[in-house]
Amino acid sequence: DTAVSQTPKYLVTQMGNDKSIKCEQNLGHDTMYWYKQDSKKFLKIMFSYNNKELIINETVPNRFSPKSPDKAHLNLHINSLELGDSAVYFCASSQVTGGANTEAFFGQGTRLTVV
Amino acid sequence: AQSVAQPEDQVNVAEGNPLTVKCTYSVSGNPYLFWYVQYPNRGLQFLLKYITGDNLVKGSYGFEAEFNKSQTSFHLKKPSALVSDSALYFCAVSRLGAGSYQLTFGKGTKLSVIP
Repeated sequence: DTAVSQTPKYLVTQMGNDKSIKCEQNLGHDTMYWYKQDSKKFLKIMFSYNNKELIINETVPNRFSPKSPDKAHLNLHINSLELGDSAVYFCASSQVTGGANTEAFFGQGTRLTVV
Repeated sequence: AQSVAQPEDQVNVAEGNPLTVKCTYSVSGNPYLFWYVQYPNRGLQFLLKYITGDNLVKGSYGFEAEFNKSQTSFHLKKPSALVSDSALYFCAVSRLGAGSYQLTFGKGTKLSVIP
């Protein structure tokens, strides 16, 4: 069983469109994250959700909105896509409460190409 | 603020030779340090972590890392490199902030093991 799964794996879309990327984790973790990897492979956190509450929003444009229907899912919605949004987006999860200090588990990534 | 520096964009090593991938960090308080590996078109895989305790940490696939507080370093090592170790390696530092563990990644080091 895949621990953290994202769909779709590839997404090609036109500028101005609205798209969503789905993420699910079956690890029972209480916190989920979205990271963006740019063309230079630099990884930066976008959001984290702890028990369905947004904890961090790292200067991400408000065109990006995470939505978590339950603690096993954290979807990423992107409105009015721009060329600069082209990147690989990674979902991740970890267990925070209880002081577990566990590592984050990552999904396989979604390669978004805006044309 | 926390940061990670990986001073080498690329490391080349002959198969069977020892390898070292360097990482230094900056964080207030006690650091939680991680190494991840990314194979082409794949997600990030956890290798090892330092939270507390023994400065020499052993991880997956024969990798180990040494935490050096005075030098604020966490170099990744392996006694004998394999061609299959060729990949992109990321060092990351984490701290508990506002209920989640925010990972800050280095820029990555491409490891090439030459047969």
